[in-house]
Amino acid sequence: EPEVTQTPSHQVTQMGQEVILRCVPISNHLYFYWYRQILGQKVEFLVSFYNNEISEKSEIFDDQFSVERPDGSNFTLKIRSTKLEDSAMYFCASSETGLGDETQYFGPGTRLLVL
Amino acid sequence: SQQGEEDPQALSIQEGENATMNCSYKTSINNLQWYRQNSGRGLVHLILIRSNEREKHSGRLRVTLDTSKKSSSLLITASRAADTASYFCATDGNFGNEKLTFGTGTRLTIIP
Repeated sequence: EPEVTQTPSHQVTQMGQEVILRCVPISNHLYFYWYRQILGQKVEFLVSFYNNEISEKSEIFDDQFSVERPDGSNFTLKIRSTKLEDSAMYFCASSETGLGDETQYFGPGTRLLVL
Repeated sequence: SQQGEEDPQALSIQEGENATMNCSYKTSINNLQWYRQNSGRGLVHLILIRSNEREKHSGRLRVTLDTSKKSSSLLITASRAADTASYFCATDGNFGNEKLTFGTGTRLTIIP
């Protein structure tokens, strides 16, 4: 069964460093998302992406964050200068078009720890 | 209450019993999805119910949706130890393929 994959599974970085989290969405999906979950808290929406542009972003998704679909398969989240409070589990998700299954399928997550 | 708020926050039952979790939300939705999360792991999609549906089944799962009360319930029948996890409801907006707003989750523990 197709699934969303994410790399790395764990990332430890120093405050102020840039990190890039990678995701490979399900191949025929057109909508892509990033969410995060701070330990013990709710899953929070960061950004959605469709047709090579951001369709919606949350207040969390400030200028330090960016997303890119550099090729036909990868979808990346970059944090330019990490802060301690960026420590969280980051989930990528994808879904098909609105004409079909709108289920959002999530990847296994990348656990980011900022020291 | 917040969009997508589940209750109870925690539930412990004996293996074999049924588990019911509830979710309430505030705004209009296109669909509501239930997810499971094992401790520290990814989100596994369980079931999606559309706003024009009232009930849906998948294996041992039964989901109901009452849009007039803005609430949903997830019933797991004949629970197993492997069902131990956190369960979240997530709602989208009016148009589909939009961001999901997650609830706070119910931590379910199945006692063997």
